[in-house]
Order: sequence, then structure tokens, then C-alpha cells
Amino acid sequence: KAGVTQTPRYLIKTRGQQVTLSCSPISGHRSVSWYQQTPGQGLQFLFEYFSETQRNKGNFPGRFSGRQFSNSRSEMNVSTLELGDSALYLCASSLLTDSDTQYFGPGTRLTVL
Amino acid sequence: GDSVTQMEGPVTLSEEAFLTINCTYTATGYPSLFWYVQYPGEGLQLLLKATKADDKGSNKGFEATYRKETTSFHLEKGSVQVSDSAVYFCALSLYNFNKFYFGSGTKLNVKP
Repeated sequence: KAGVTQTPRYLIKTRGQQVTLSCSPISGHRSVSWYQQTPGQGLQFLFEYFSETQRNKGNFPGRFSGRQFSNSRSEMNVSTLELGDSALYLCASSLLTDSDTQYFGPGTRLTVL
Repeated sequence: GDSVTQMEGPVTLSEEAFLTINCTYTATGYPSLFWYVQYPGEGLQLLLKATKADDKGSNKGFEATYRKETTSFHLEKGSVQVSDSAVYFCALSLYNFNKFYFGSGTKLNVKP
């Protein structure tokens, strides 16, 4: 079974731009979560989607948004990029019945210049 | 609130040394507990998990026991290898919330 895939793997943007990241979960997984990882703040939860509905949300500004499609694929969008948004963005999918184990993708490395 | 605290790194060991990485948690319910490992340039990989008190998770020589009385889930390995060099994250999840709480990560360096 294929793992979680994220595209693109690397992105370079400038301040003020917006960016969209994509995540394809493991086949059959309906829950997708997003995390931001930085050296200073560690792993921070962004949001979680299940059946196209956002069920949980972390403490991030409204510039960070996401959505999930009927095939469980998910996208996250960051508008008006700031230098501090430079990070590794990780997506994780879950079957929910498997003791809530989350399976992570390789991440998208976003650099904001 | 719910949280995970793990020992700060980096931890530097010689090959074949014994490893312990401490992890304690605070949770309002009955969490599942996990250890994830992250190799340079990669995402997180599930290393092991335990879903109830006294469960022992094990994988690739690593072990951790869910201790409800001490709210701990310490990671151990009897003999580390250079290839174990990575960052290790302790995490908990509360059933049905699918929201994970991660520790800050502990970097392990193993020298030959």
C-alpha cells in the first residue's frame, strides 16, 4: 500500500505571496492532519479533516486554511506569507480505527524569502 | 491541558550503549501513546505504540511500557547503532479526537 504523499517537496516563495500544499493520504484513510515543524517551536498542530469537514484546529492565524476533497485528498493554503512561515509542513493520515495511529508523509519544505 | 514532556537533547552515545529517552504525559482521558522517529530530511515514522496501561510497545529493538501510575512512556534500547541517530518524538492521542500532542523531540547521536 502506498504511503502518504505530499507535493511539492520543496517550495520557495516571497513574502506576501500565497501557497498551496497538497497531501494524498493512504488509501482508505479518511482523516488527514496537518502540522508545522520549525526548529524553534517543534511540531505544532494546524488542523484535522475528516470526511471533508474540519474537526480540529490548532492555534494558527486565519491565513492558514485547508480543505479536504471527497477522495480524502487534502490541501492547505497559506496566504500573505511571512518569513516566519518558513517550515516543514507535514501531513498525516489515519484510519481512525487503528488506535488513532497517524502515518506521516515526507513533508513539504517551504522557504519564504 | 493535555501535553507531553520529553527529555531535552541532544543525547550522544557510543555504539552498543544503552539508551533511555524519558517521556511523561498529562491527559484528561485514557490516551494512546506513541514514539515516532524522524531521520534527517524525512517525515515522522511510527516506531511503536501502546494503547492501554501496562502495554509494552516494541519494534527494531526499541521498547516502551505504558505506565499509568507514573504517567510515563520511556523509550529504551539495549544496544544502539549509528543508524539509530535521529530525532525521537513521544506523542499521545485521545481516542476519537484524532488530535495528537507531541513532545519537543530528542535528538540522538550515536558515535561509532
